[in-house]
Amino acid sequence: DADVTQTPRNRITKTGKRIMLECSQTKGHDRMYWYRQDPGLGLRLIYYSFDVKDINKGEISDGYSVSRQAQAKFSLSLESAIPNQTALYFCATSDPGQGVETQYFGPGTRLLVL
Amino acid sequence: QKEVEQDPGPLSVPEGAIVSLNCTYSNSAFQYFMWYRQYSRKGPELLMYTYSSGNKEDGRFTAQVDKSSKYISLFIRDSQPSDSATYLCAMSSGQGAQKLVFGQGTRLTINP
Repeated sequence: DADVTQTPRNRITKTGKRIMLECSQTKGHDRMYWYRQDPGLGLRLIYYSFDVKDINKGEISDGYSVSRQAQAKFSLSLESAIPNQTALYFCATSDPGQGVETQYFGPGTRLLVL
Repeated sequence: QKEVEQDPGPLSVPEGAIVSLNCTYSNSAFQYFMWYRQYSRKGPELLMYTYSSGNKEDGRFTAQVDKSSKYISLFIRDSQPSDSATYLCAMSSGQGAQKLVFGQGTRLTINP
C-alpha cells in the first residue's frame, strides 16, 4: 500500500467552484506539504504544516486554503477555482529526525479548471 | 531571474550513454543540494543529496556541486531505459524541507 495517498487522482471542475483535494499518509510523519507543479515552473510550495496546530503559507498560497484534520490528513481547498489553477498538485510528508530531511510525495492530483 | 535554473529538455540519448544533467543557481547561501527523480504519473522521489561542495557517488549516479560557479550536476553512467524520467534539482540554505527551491525539471528519455 502507498504511504502517501491523494484523492481524487484526476478532477475537472468549472470556474468559480469550490473543490477539495485530500491527502492521507501512513508514514507517521508530523510534517506535511502541498505543492503545485506547472510545466516550466517546477514545484512550488503552497502550504505546509509541522503538526496539527501549525499551518504556514508557502510561496504561492493566494487562492488556496488548507486544513490539518489529524496527523495523517492534510486537505487543500480552492475556494473559487480559476483556470490558472490548472496544474498537477502533490502532497508530501517529511521527518526531520532522519538526517537530511527527505520528503515523500504522493502520486499527485491532476486538476483542470474550465 | 529564477533562483534555480534547469534546462527542461527534453533530452534523448541512446542506452549506455553517459548523461549529464545540470542546474545553476543564484543564491550563494544554498548549502543543501538534492536530485529528485519523477517517473510519469508519479510523485518525485529523492535520488541523491549533497551537503556543500564536492562529489557523491551512488552506483551509476554521481552528484557534483561547484559552489564557486553556483553549478550542480548529476551524471548517469551506463544509462538504462528505466532511467527515463524527469529529474529535478532542489536546493536550500538550511535544513528544513519547506526551504527547498526546485528547478523546473529535465525530461530524460533513454532509447533502447
